[in-house]
Amino acid sequence: EVHLVESGGGLLKPGGSLRLSCAASGFTFSNAWMSWVRQAPEKGLEWVGRIHAKVDGGSVDYAAPLKGKFTISRDDSKNTVYLEINSLETEDTAVYFCAKELQRAGPTPLEYWGQGTLVTVSS
Amino acid sequence: DIQMTQSPSTLSASVGDRVTITCRASQSISSWLAWYQKKPGKAPNLLIYKASTLQGGVPSRFSGSGSGTEFTLTISSLQPDDFATYNCQQYSSFPWTFGQGTKVEIK
Repeated sequence: EVHLVESGGGLLKPGGSLRLSCAASGFTFSNAWMSWVRQAPEKGLEWVGRIHAKVDGGSVDYAAPLKGKFTISRDDSKNTVYLEINSLETEDTAVYFCAKELQRAGPTPLEYWGQGTLVTVSS
Repeated sequence: DIQMTQSPSTLSASVGDRVTITCRASQSISSWLAWYQKKPGKAPNLLIYKASTLQGGVPSRFSGSGSGTEFTLTISSLQPDDFATYNCQQYSSFPWTFGQGTKVEIK
């Protein structure tokens, strides 16, 4: 059974940074392309970015407006994908989800999601 | 960015009702559209992808149709477990974008 468990959220002050983790199990993580999505309170889902499998180059795609704020990385030895967020702003307050893409390369939906981790940015 | 517009925002229905949710894209996305079900505090669940392909394990009462810019999600006979929020998503081009969601409530 596939499990994705996000962690690392919490209450942070503006200007700070943090790293979220997403621990994966139940599938061959090293072959998976992984995405991050966030949902601000009372707002819709917003795709943040994705990381390719290292066997496919390991490159990262970001939503253009968010590029520079986020860094996605992975550690296949730990079956974990990370999302670093810097220069936190109150607008970054959201639940952050990681998700496994259905297939490698090409247009693909998000097959499995974690339950999310809440990041609250407030002074 | 491709804008995804869902309607209605909220839908009140009874168990057994046939329910239809519409999703419109601001430009053609071919059939690169997915539907997700979201319940509070739980992970979103992929229901349909490529506009009409049912994800494994999803009940057959769920169906999707459409191509280009207009898509629908239909629940043929609403069950108690189906009261949730439904989101469409285009994965035709970056950035992938989602509709704002349709909340299906008990009438």
